[in-house]
Amino acid sequence: TAGITQAPTSQILAAGRSMTLRCTQDMRHNAMYWYRQDLGLGLRLIHYSNTAGTTGKGEVPDGYSVSRANTDDFPLTLASAVPSQTSVYFCASRPGGSPDTEAFFGQGTRLTVV
Amino acid sequence: EDKVVQSPLSLVVHEGDTVTLNCSYEVTNFRSLLWYKQEKKAPTFLFMLTSSGIEKKSGRLSSILDKKELFSILNITATQTGDSAIYLCAVVPGGGTSYGKLTFGQGTILTVHP
Repeated sequence: TAGITQAPTSQILAAGRSMTLRCTQDMRHNAMYWYRQDLGLGLRLIHYSNTAGTTGKGEVPDGYSVSRANTDDFPLTLASAVPSQTSVYFCASRPGGSPDTEAFFGQGTRLTVV
Repeated sequence: EDKVVQSPLSLVVHEGDTVTLNCSYEVTNFRSLLWYKQEKKAPTFLFMLTSSGIEKKSGRLSSILDKKELFSILNITATQTGDSAIYLCAVVPGGGTSYGKLTFGQGTILTVHP
């Protein structure tokens, strides 16, 4: 079982360029999340989606956008990258429906904006 | 806004020591609290604590939830070098405006020396 797949695993991006981080899950989970992880700050929620067709803003949404056209895919787009967006990005999913379920994580995308 | 605070932020111990990691939270409509261990890449699930299960144990790891005082602790006894990792806690709301959000603390970096 693949679980959650993120792509690319790492990327160096010039400031001002746009980029889409891909996230796909094959577990038919309703809820999906995007986090960024920076040293000392833990995992900070960027955007989330409770079900296909809906999205919500997390703690640090500025500079990022998401879409949820179907259950499996939850891409994260940086429209015009800035160096402060250098981070490790994790996608996660959870069955949803019941809050008594854990979240499953992808392996992360390390993004460096120069 | 939901808030999760972990302490200490980092901890260095020797093999065989016992450690206690703390997680306090403020969240509307609290439903459950999750503990994760993160080594090199993706966080891996350890425990879920809810109002119906406020104490969990697995081998040398155990965790309790105090819903009155709004905190949880993760205990690791007889630590080993393989316990070195970042330990993360997260809270899951059961409803309200935070529904769907999974909020993490900053994490505790545990280093176990031989």
